[in-house]
Amino acid sequence: QVHLMQSGGEVKRPGASVKVSCKASGYPFTTYAINWVRQAPGQGLEWMARISANNGNTHYAQKVQGRVTVTTDTSTSTAYMELRGLTSADTAIYYCAREYSLNWFDSWGQGTLVTVSS
Amino acid sequence: QSALTQPASVSGSPGQSITISCTGTSSDVGRYDYVSWYQQHPDTAPKLLINDVSNRPSGVSSRFSGSKSGNTASLTISGLQAEDEAEYYCSSYTSTTTRYVFGSGTKVTVL
Repeated sequence: QVHLMQSGGEVKRPGASVKVSCKASGYPFTTYAINWVRQAPGQGLEWMARISANNGNTHYAQKVQGRVTVTTDTSTSTAYMELRGLTSADTAIYYCAREYSLNWFDSWGQGTLVTVSS
Repeated sequence: QSALTQPASVSGSPGQSITISCTGTSSDVGRYDYVSWYQQHPDTAPKLLINDVSNRPSGVSSRFSGSKSGNTASLTISGLQAEDEAEYYCSSYTSTTTRYVFGSGTKVTVL
């Protein structure tokens, strides 16, 4: 079955960068896009970015554009999300999600907690 | 791109029906039929309930149904059960540079 396994939690200093991985299994990786969604403590979901695993095309939310980069490694069926210039406002659980069809996120990773603290 | 507007909380008794609204704009909910709904229990990842306004993926209970009118989408839960107590989020494709937008979330309480 479809499974998205994310990397473990991270603690970072303000100004640092973080790179979260999302390893997919159970389906042809290049068939579907991967999206990244984050959730600050006690807050709602916020869409951040999308990458087509087929051709590498990317889309980013205006709020994080310029600080975030999403990539894939098709040889290992892994997607990555790198966020730079971290501030305390970036403290959140970061999820990857498979996009089965437009705005149809049918499978989610378990989430990765990124804590930004001095 | 602001979040779609949802009521902060909705409650109902077991067996009742409740409806959660999701109000957007003519750039998102009102323009496209790419509205989804997700259920999130505490400390777990979201789960897809409805896609394309009213389509229910395989394995999702028929007690969940979706609809849309103008700039507002709705999720109805019929025959409310204790296990339905969770946070619910809508989501829409948007014509802005931000491709997708989520709702502010609604806490459903089963009395």
